[in-house]
Amino acid sequence: SQQGEEDPQALSIQEGENATMNCSYKTSINNLQWYRQNSGRGLVHLILIRSNEREKHSGRLRVTLDTSKKSSSLLITASRAADTASYFCATAVSNTGNQFYFGTGTSLTVIP
Amino acid sequence: NAGVMQNPRHLVRRRGQEARLRCSPMKGHSHVYWYRQLPEEGLKFMVYLQKENIIDESGMPKERFSAEFPKEGPSILRIQQVVRGDSAAYFCASSLGTGRTEAFFGQGTRLTVV
Repeated sequence: SQQGEEDPQALSIQEGENATMNCSYKTSINNLQWYRQNSGRGLVHLILIRSNEREKHSGRLRVTLDTSKKSSSLLITASRAADTASYFCATAVSNTGNQFYFGTGTSLTVIP
Repeated sequence: NAGVMQNPRHLVRRRGQEARLRCSPMKGHSHVYWYRQLPEEGLKFMVYLQKENIIDESGMPKERFSAEFPKEGPSILRIQQVVRGDSAAYFCASSLGTGRTEAFFGQGTRLTVV
């Protein structure tokens, strides 16, 4: 089965609000990455957090990682309509090399 | 530095035909991954290759599907005797590997089997 599970499956917010998405996984990881996918398009790499890191920032993005709970969160602050997309977490599992396993994604809609 | 290039972007095949999907990784990347995405679903891992080697094909269907990453040229995902259930978006990603594990994706090939 796939490693990552995002929560919620769908999220709808007003422009300017913050959006939080969560990802849970099952086994030990090397790192966890978040991707964005606009409808019908490819995936855009957002941020990578390594297993020994707890928090990373990139612009309006903030990612946390709790390896004890096997979970990560992606926070998008001051959301914009252009943030409307699906967001996926992907895990690089410790004992299987560099393969990445994806969850089913969170569909975010930002209402102007 | 061009990103991961996939072609074609769209491919239509009749049932029973062969589909060949190409992926050129980012310059300097020797690790390639193929994923399949069905509508409204996440990405399912298919196969992981390094130059001339298949490292992990645990996500590949046992029949009709094959992948290669030759010393020269792009990685190829080949689907023989396609069926309607093969219709999906197929994404390729590449990475430096060896601890540098950011993976960058191409735009995908959307296969439609009619």
